[in-house]
Amino acid sequence: AQKITQTQPGMFVQEKEAVTLDCTYDTSDQSYGLFWYKQPSSGEMIFLIYQGSYDEQNATEGRYSLNFQKARKSANLVISASQLGDSAMYFCAMREGNSGTYKYIFGTGTRLKVLA
Amino acid sequence: EAQVTQNPRYLITVTGKKLTVTCSQNMNHEYMSWYRQDPGLGLRQIYYSMNVEVTDKGDVPEGYKVSRKEKRNFPLILESPSPNQTSLYFCASSLTRGLGNTIYFGEGSWLTVV
Repeated sequence: AQKITQTQPGMFVQEKEAVTLDCTYDTSDQSYGLFWYKQPSSGEMIFLIYQGSYDEQNATEGRYSLNFQKARKSANLVISASQLGDSAMYFCAMREGNSGTYKYIFGTGTRLKVLA
Repeated sequence: EAQVTQNPRYLITVTGKKLTVTCSQNMNHEYMSWYRQDPGLGLRQIYYSMNVEVTDKGDVPEGYKVSRKEKRNFPLILESPSPNQTSLYFCASSLTRGLGNTIYFGEGSWLTVV
């Protein structure tokens, strides 16, 4: 069964440093997509970055990059040069394609606190 | 502006009093879904719909109903709410085809059942 695991309930990082948020996934499909979302304290869900299972290069979006290791089934989010505004909950998500249902499943999230 | 709109945003209700949380999207998306978010559990899918008149259970459907009579609307119905349904609820939508199409979320509905 498909599953997303985020093992870090909470993380601290010093402002301007880089931080890695872990995400591992489990799927038997060959075709899938991986997403990261940010949820500030206000509650809305903000899309950050996407990686397709067939993409050979790691995805990058500004200060966000996705460290995709297919053999290890990991899709870690790297935030470079952390800012105070990065303090939020971060969710990893997966969407499978071969099953035909196109469901999205989410991990339990990692709460990141950036320290001044 | 592309958006998913859900109402009400905040609601306190009593056990057993039927309520409906509405959800509407203006992006012509086929896929719509409801999630609940609880501390330590992340987002769990309640129901989803692949298109009009096509709905299916997610991981936590007990106590909820949905309908998809129109493409843009996907209301969530709590026939007899109980305190364990106190949660933050998100409606979301996406194109069905294409794995890379991100899912768009509404702003969330904070529901408290007393």
